[in-house]
Amino acid sequence: GENVEQHPSTLSVQEGDSAVIKCTYSDSASNYFPWYKQELGKRPQLIIDIRSNVGEKKDQRIAVTLNKTAKHFSLHITETQPEDSAVYFCAASLSGSARQLTFGSGTQLTVLP
Amino acid sequence: DSGVTQTPKHLITATGQRVTLRCSPRSGDLSVYWYQQSLDQGLQFLIQYYNGEERAKGNILERFSAQQFPDLHSELNLSSLELGDSALYFCASSQGRGTAPYEQYFGPGTRLTVT
Repeated sequence: GENVEQHPSTLSVQEGDSAVIKCTYSDSASNYFPWYKQELGKRPQLIIDIRSNVGEKKDQRIAVTLNKTAKHFSLHITETQPEDSAVYFCAASLSGSARQLTFGSGTQLTVLP
Repeated sequence: DSGVTQTPKHLITATGQRVTLRCSPRSGDLSVYWYQQSLDQGLQFLIQYYNGEERAKGNILERFSAQQFPDLHSELNLSSLELGDSALYFCASSQGRGTAPYEQYFGPGTRLTVT
């Protein structure tokens, strides 16, 4: 089955700096890669996603890049703010009848004011 | 608010007992996924239903079962509960039509504590 590895497990940045979180996946057939933000005790919230026919996607301060050849994808957050502090999860999914998400282990992002 | 609802929010029960967790998907979504989140295992896929039929199984224990009803709500049944079953249980829903992956939206979760 699919295996997703995520690094780093913790990340501290100064407010205004950029943050980068990286994930690798094992199944070359995976073609959908969402990112979720989870605040303590809350639901995972979809913040951005990318499909395998696209190399990069941006939404305001958030961007995701995908390298299908190397089987890795990354989340980039620019101009970080204290409210960006949360746990971020990457995930991967296949097409077909079963489209469950396989999650990475999460990154605790702390933005220091 | 994602549009996915789950009840109850919290559940405290004893070892050996049985509980039922309920999920209502977003309006129009046909697929329901159940995930378990624990400190040591992270977010793990349990089971998926699409329009009433089981589509995929993940690391779901034999003591656990689920179903999706004609109105598309889903229930996750956990029996013979053990201390290690204490976790957050999330339901997610997606459109599910065709074969392309769709965005999955998560409910607020049910926090299960087994004592």
